[in-house]
Amino acid sequence: GENVEQHPSTLSVQEGDSAVIKCTYSDSASNYFPWYKQELGKRPQLIIDIRSNVGEKKDQRIAVTLNKTAKHFSLHITETQPEDSAVYFCAASRGQAGTALIFGKGTTLSVSS
Amino acid sequence: EADIYQTPRYLVIGTGKKITLECSQTMGHDKMYWYQQDPGMELHLIHYSYGVNSTEKGDLSSESTVSRIRTEHFPLTLESARPSHTSQYLCASSARFNEQFFGPGTRLTVL
Repeated sequence: GENVEQHPSTLSVQEGDSAVIKCTYSDSASNYFPWYKQELGKRPQLIIDIRSNVGEKKDQRIAVTLNKTAKHFSLHITETQPEDSAVYFCAASRGQAGTALIFGKGTTLSVSS
Repeated sequence: EADIYQTPRYLVIGTGKKITLECSQTMGHDKMYWYQQDPGMELHLIHYSYGVNSTEKGDLSSESTVSRIRTEHFPLTLESARPSHTSQYLCASSARFNEQFFGPGTRLTVL
């Protein structure tokens, strides 16, 4: 079946460094790619998303890039802070926009001060 | 305030019991979803619905059922709970363009 692979599973950085999380997807019809942040004991929260007609999107310290040809997309966090520590999930739409999501297995990001 | 509500938040039950996890949303969304997630781990889609009287199976649907009689309500039923069902269950909803909002979850323990 369709799947989303996410790497790395854990990532440790120093405060102020950049962090990059990468995902690949298999469904060529996917055209919506969100990223969620989940803090311990909390619900997942959308932090940024991108659609297939855009190659890059940025929101303050967070950016996402998409390569539809290679079927991969990445999350970039610059100037990391301790409050960025959480589990991050990428996802891809099952088919075209308007359908359910397939999630990656998550990346645990730890930012030490 | 527009939000997604789940009840109960915590539930401990014995093996073989029938349980229903409630989810309601005041977001005005047409689409609703159920996920199973062990703490900090991957989210597995159980069921989803695109509107009233519409339900679809996800990847872990074989041991549960859902109904969608009202737009704002999407309950999940386990007919016979087993220890392997011990997990967190997250309800979500979305409007037309995929952005999903999650509820606070129900932590289920089956003894």
